[in-house]
Amino acid sequence: GAVVSQHPSWVICKSGTSVKIECRSLDFQATTMFWYRQFPKQSLMLMATSNEGSKATYEQGVEKDKFLINHASLTLSTLTVTSAHPEDSSFYICSASDGITSGANVLTFGAGSRLTVL
Amino acid sequence: GESVGLHLPTLSVQEGDNSIINCAYSNSASDYFIWYKQESGKGPQFIIDIRSNMDKRQGQRVTVLLNKTVKHLSLQIAATQPGDSAVYFCAENTGGFKTIFGAGTRLFVKA
Repeated sequence: GAVVSQHPSWVICKSGTSVKIECRSLDFQATTMFWYRQFPKQSLMLMATSNEGSKATYEQGVEKDKFLINHASLTLSTLTVTSAHPEDSSFYICSASDGITSGANVLTFGAGSRLTVL
Repeated sequence: GESVGLHLPTLSVQEGDNSIINCAYSNSASDYFIWYKQESGKGPQFIIDIRSNMDKRQGQRVTVLLNKTVKHLSLQIAATQPGDSAVYFCAENTGGFKTIFGAGTRLFVKA
């Protein structure tokens, strides 16, 4: 089945620095990937839709200059948290669909990347 | 705005019993619903889905029921096992692959 890989799985950084998280579709091509954010004991909140070869589409309230998304190839999307602050600490999860697994609308999720900003 | 929510934040069941997890949605235009399971520290995993032109769909030990009249979804897990302990989310597909998640229910299975 479809596999989505994220890296790093966890990262600790100092306040003010930037952190890049990678999301790869390992055995399929994904023109669209989705980035979610999850706080402890809460649901997944959709941040943005990553579109291969074009600009990402951000959800209302998500700062595009804060969360830079690049989808340069059909198998890789990156999320960069710029000038990170402690309130950016969260679990970031990416997802994509291969259009085949269990129906065309089902997303396969990565294992997530836990960001801690000190 | 539109949202998908859950009635129960936690559910505790005895091993071997059946579990029922409920979900209410508000977007009457949604035509596709999915249940995901998330274990601690991991990404969500697909369980079962249902389209709005159906009211019931069965999988292996799981059944999803959809009541469009009252905008209600439920996930039934038969013979619940310790490995079923996780957080369960209903999710709503609003077009293409864009998926909006509900609040989640944590399921505890007592041995």
